Amino acid sequence: QQQVKQSPQSLIVQKGGISIINCAYENTAFDYFPWYQQFPGKGPALLIAIRPDVSEKKEGRFTISFNKSAKQFSLHIMDSQPGDSATYFCAATYTGRRALTFGSGTRLQVQP
Amino acid sequence: DAGVIQSPRHEVTEMGQEVTLRCKPISGHDYLFWYRQTMMRGLELLIYFNNNVPIDDSGMPEDRFSAKMPNASFSTLKIQPSEPRDSAVYFCASSLTSGERPQYFGPGTRLTVT
Repeated sequence: QQQVKQSPQSLIVQKGGISIINCAYENTAFDYFPWYQQFPGKGPALLIAIRPDVSEKKEGRFTISFNKSAKQFSLHIMDSQPGDSATYFCAATYTGRRALTFGSGTRLQVQP
Repeated sequence: DAGVIQSPRHEVTEMGQEVTLRCKPISGHDYLFWYRQTMMRGLELLIYFNNNVPIDDSGMPEDRFSAKMPNASFSTLKIQPSEPRDSAVYFCASSLTSGERPQYFGPGTRLTVT
């Protein structure tokens, strides 16, 4: 129930392409869904987040799409750049339990 | 404005030794979290505090692990005795109660137990 399943495990995209990472969850109590970006040797950094009352949220080149009925959400990175090469984690939490439940991570490589 | 501060950044110790990891949350944040990252298990919660009180320690592996938060600006995670399987990167994160409640992570402590 606490799991968040993330796919793919790794992703290679050409510069300028679209990167798409998917996550699915079971616990319907989750009400906050952040995405984190992690570079080697660094801590995870919040990228963008969404609540289930919104189907899409966009910040610059990063967009979260949320499908409440399917219990799925995804991260789209438009015009992917080599500097976007990092590991991306989806996560979920809810008001009654503030700890993040993380997906397994996606290692993104953007080729120049 | 300083982010979450963790020390040490790297720790190498021998099996059986005591290890203490330290964290200073962002000033004004009332939630503090300890996470562990390994290749096998990914990012997982160990324990979290609200207003210095432990709320959920269900992720603490066993009695060898203990965490304290004596005041709003300092927390420790102690492992005694340490074992090779404790080798991991340990992250501290903090957040506010209100608003969108994003968690801000520190740079982590890479622990190696030989």
